[in-house]
Amino acid sequence: DGGITQSPKYLFRKEGQNVTLSCEQNLNHDAMYWYRQDPGQGLRLIYYSQIVNDFQKGDIAEGYSVSREKKESFPLTVTSAQKNPTAFYLCASSIVEGAGYTFGSGTRLTVV
Amino acid sequence: AQTVTQSQPEMSVQEAETVTLSCTYDTSENNYYLFWYKQPPSRQMILVIRQEAYKQQNATENRFSVNFQKAAKSFSLKISDSQLGDTAMYFCAFMKYDKIIFGKGTRLHILP
Repeated sequence: DGGITQSPKYLFRKEGQNVTLSCEQNLNHDAMYWYRQDPGQGLRLIYYSQIVNDFQKGDIAEGYSVSREKKESFPLTVTSAQKNPTAFYLCASSIVEGAGYTFGSGTRLTVV
Repeated sequence: AQTVTQSQPEMSVQEAETVTLSCTYDTSENNYYLFWYKQPPSRQMILVIRQEAYKQQNATENRFSVNFQKAAKSFSLKISDSQLGDTAMYFCAFMKYDKIIFGKGTRLHILP
């Protein structure tokens, strides 16, 4: 079955460490997105990519980095520069404008 | 910049009742898409309903329907015959050029 796989489901990071969240899709979607969800804040866009080897910053890109070397994969790195990384991270993909997103099941990142 | 506002942070209704969730948005665009997403306790984001701005007819999906008022920039969601499984966070969303902006959500409790 086609879908988006995010891993791991739960991730713990020590302060000062970088950590990478995985997002893989087999839907043949061109566009992929990373959102951060905090209580009472809704979903905020971190980065998005509409084509391989190209990506754009969203509203809260500081302290994050991404790559898009393959159509299927859009990993997100949370760097030590991110001041408050504890959050729920959602990856999504889209085939065309207006179709809406298909979401992964999310990764809960906790800084310890 | 587009914004999406959900004025009801939390609502509770009895099972089998009808409930309406409010959403307003701000944009200078004429053609765009609107969505309602549901996020149950599992945190999986599920597309509930989709509306194309150039269509005057309100979208419906089984027990879910919208009241789309383009001039007023209003996009409310009506859930008829509410069920316990409708308990979730509901996000209103605006899409233009492959990027979705989400509201902060309404937490809906269906009471037995």
